[in-house]
Amino acid sequence: AQSVTQPDIHITVSEGASLELRCNYSYGATPYLFWYVQSPGQGLQLLLKYFSGDTLVQGIKGFEAEFKRSQSSFNLRKPSVHWSDAAEYFCAVGVDGTASKLTFGTGTRLQVTL
Amino acid sequence: EPEVTQTPSHQVTQMGQEVILRCVPISNHLYFYWYRQILGQKVEFLVSFYNNEISEKSEIFDDQFSVERPDGSNFTLKIRSTKLEDSAMYFCASSGIAGGRYEQYFGPGTRLTVT
Repeated sequence: AQSVTQPDIHITVSEGASLELRCNYSYGATPYLFWYVQSPGQGLQLLLKYFSGDTLVQGIKGFEAEFKRSQSSFNLRKPSVHWSDAAEYFCAVGVDGTASKLTFGTGTRLQVTL
Repeated sequence: EPEVTQTPSHQVTQMGQEVILRCVPISNHLYFYWYRQILGQKVEFLVSFYNNEISEKSEIFDDQFSVERPDGSNFTLKIRSTKLEDSAMYFCASSGIAGGRYEQYFGPGTRLTVT
């Protein structure tokens, strides 16, 4: 069965600083990888996805993520964080198959200081 | 931009009561899902639904739970006899062929409180 690990429960960065959120997955074949963001009291918004091809994927709000098969990682990055980026970020993995479920990590809460 | 909607946003019910959570998926999507998130925990898969039948369900999705697509637009989750531990945020999601079946779009959630 697939699994996702987000080793950082809570990260604090200053506004304007760069950000990297870590995500490691476990799955035997090529996974389908996603990052979602959840603002307080809100639903899950899809930031970006990796299905195949170019291992560096661009998403909304200036985020990008890089798939590294050798490290089983899919880390999320942003060069300059804005205060509005404060939220909970979830990495998720899907597998091939019909109506594939997503398996989520435990999330990383991002705090942005001014 | 099309979005998944859910009603109600918050439901309070007494233990043992039945609740129905409603979702309107994105109109041209074919795959539908329910997930839940207990406060402070990660999002967990409950069930997926395609072609009017359950495709996959988790261990959480026991006989107390059921799903239905009663018409062409709604997708519901019923909990027959709620327990305290059913208190959680329930998210509906949908995905479609056009976007790739794995690109799931989530609704804003229904917060269920069982007292």
